[in-house]
Amino acid sequence: NAGVTQTPKFQVLKTGQSMTLQCAQDMNHNSMYWYRQDPGMGLRLIYYSASEGTTDKGEVPNGYNVSRLNKREFSLRLESAAPSQTSVYFCASSESSTGWPTDTQYFGPGTRLTVL
Amino acid sequence: KQEVTQIPAALSVPEGENLVLNCSFTDSAIYNLQWFRQDPGKGLTSLLLIQSSQREQTSGRLNASLDKSSGRSTLYIAASQPGDSATYLCAVWGAMNFGNEKLTFGTGTRLTIIP
Repeated sequence: NAGVTQTPKFQVLKTGQSMTLQCAQDMNHNSMYWYRQDPGMGLRLIYYSASEGTTDKGEVPNGYNVSRLNKREFSLRLESAAPSQTSVYFCASSESSTGWPTDTQYFGPGTRLTVL
Repeated sequence: KQEVTQIPAALSVPEGENLVLNCSFTDSAIYNLQWFRQDPGKGLTSLLLIQSSQREQTSGRLNASLDKSSGRSTLYIAASQPGDSATYLCAVWGAMNFGNEKLTFGTGTRLTIIP
């Protein structure tokens, strides 16, 4: 099992460009999450999804959109990138059927995004 | 608003020593607490999850305890090894977060085991 995979690993964008971060899990988990990690601020939840076709906002959703394409895949889109979105982005999944953090979360390796 | 604090931010200990990492949280009405490790440039790996009804959890050389009334958790690592070098994060899910379902993470303790 690959667990949680993310692509790309690194990305550099110019202000105003758009891109989509991809995430897939092969553990048949119900819930998936997108976090960002910034120095001195800990991880913060951007969006989560409890099932295919459902998504909910987390703590810092502004500037992002998500799609739960199927049970395996959960993508994060930046429509018009800003320097404040420079961060490391992590995808995670869990067995939780509600999206609530009731179960162990399994994380991907992360995407390092720089917006110039 | 729930706040999670991990002190110290960095810790170095000689190989073979037992050590304790600390995590404190401001609101004691929590549902669970998780400990993770993060290796440089990598994602997080879950170590232990403690439900609010539990006092401790053990996995191998790791033991995590939870004292909700005092807003504290500790991660005890026995017989430390160089491979234990990583950043250790704790995260809590609590009543204050209900309706905004998320874990609140601390900023971590960077642990270095000196061979």
